Amino acid sequence: DAGVIQSPRHEVTEMGQEVTLRCKPISGHNSLFWYRQTMMRGLELLIYFNNNVPIDDSGMPEDRFSAKMPNASFSTLKIQPSEPRDSAVYFCASSLGGRRSGTDTQYFGPGTRLTVL
Amino acid sequence: AQKVTQAQTEISVVEKEDVTLDCVYETRDTTYYLFWYKQPPSGELVFLIRRNSFDEQNEISGRYSWNFQKSTSSFNFTITASQVVDSAVYFCALTTFGNEKLTFGTGTRLTIIP
Repeated sequence: DAGVIQSPRHEVTEMGQEVTLRCKPISGHNSLFWYRQTMMRGLELLIYFNNNVPIDDSGMPEDRFSAKMPNASFSTLKIQPSEPRDSAVYFCASSLGGRRSGTDTQYFGPGTRLTVL
Repeated sequence: AQKVTQAQTEISVVEKEDVTLDCVYETRDTTYYLFWYKQPPSGELVFLIRRNSFDEQNEISGRYSWNFQKSTSSFNFTITASQVVDSAVYFCALTTFGNEKLTFGTGTRLTIIP
């Protein structure tokens, strides 16, 4: 079975440009998570969805960041306009999910390494 | 509030030595779940194990073993006869029942010297 798929794997852009990161969760998984990893802050949860609905976006840094999940097999994380401090590795993860469980294991994609010049 | 502490920032051992990575957690919930993930130099995060708070049995998987002790709020990870391929950053994480958000530790960078 395919794992979580992320694209692109690497993105280099200039400050001020729009960046869109994409994620395809594992088929049958109902929860999807976006994380950011930096040396300074470690792994941070940005937002997560359950059944395509955003449940908690308290980790989204600011209005420049937005995330959507139009259907069960696709999600995007958009940064507009991008800034050098957004440089990081962005991970998408998915789990079986269930509002009452919280027990399901999160499986991570390979990540997108974003560099904003 | 939940917290996971991995006090060892970096560990280096010679190949074939045993090594233990420490993880100490804090939570007020009685039902919770602990995880270990591995992040090799290639960068992906690989799930290793999940443990629930009702199961204190130690687990062994090949050269890997985990020691869960509620009395000390610890969930330590031991690699026996380490190999160069074990070189990675290892993260311990925690979540509680009804909460899908994982709380990660800061990670331990393990280097196996050939």
